[in-house]
Amino acid sequence: AQSVTQLDSQVPVFEEAPVELRCNYSSSVSVYLFWYVQYPNQGLQLLLKYLSGSTLVKGINGFEAEFNKSQTSFHLRKPSVHISDTAEYFCAVSDSGTYKYIFGTGTRLKVLA
Amino acid sequence: EPEVTQTPSHQVTQMGQEVILRCVPISNHLYFYWYRQILGQKVEFLVSFYNNEISEKSEIFDDQFSVERPDGSNFTLKIRSTKLEDSAMYFCASSERPSVGTEAFFGQGTRLTVV
Repeated sequence: AQSVTQLDSQVPVFEEAPVELRCNYSSSVSVYLFWYVQYPNQGLQLLLKYLSGSTLVKGINGFEAEFNKSQTSFHLRKPSVHISDTAEYFCAVSDSGTYKYIFGTGTRLKVLA
Repeated sequence: EPEVTQTPSHQVTQMGQEVILRCVPISNHLYFYWYRQILGQKVEFLVSFYNNEISEKSEIFDDQFSVERPDGSNFTLKIRSTKLEDSAMYFCASSERPSVGTEAFFGQGTRLTVV
């Protein structure tokens, strides 16, 4: 069965610094990868997704992620964070046999002034 | 912008009671989900629903749980005889169609506390 690992439960970073949130998934023949963000008291919002094609995926709010099949990773990056990026970030995977998402435990990004 | 709406935002219930969590998916969406997140743990898939029947369910979704689309707009999750371990955030989601890679839109969640 598919699984997703987000190694960092919390990531504090200063404003305007770069950030990388790590995500690893268990291997599968065909895999589809997603990053969702949850702002305080809100639902989950899609940041970006990888289905196929270019391994570098750009999403909303200046985020991007790179699919690395050999390392089974899909790390999320932003070159310069803002206070408003403070939120919980969830990596998720689905495979060709199902439409459901398997989520990681989430990473709480805290941007400091 | 269309959104998935969940009510109530917070529900407190006594152990053994039944609760119904309500969701209004986005109007033209056809595929519906319930997920839950126990505090500090992963967001877990419970069930998906399409064409008025369960499409897929997890091991968690046992006879204690049921889903229904009672009318054209609501999608409900019923939990019978609640247990302390049912305390969690429950998320409803919907997508346009059952297709791999189609974005699922999530509601804000209902925090269920069983006391």
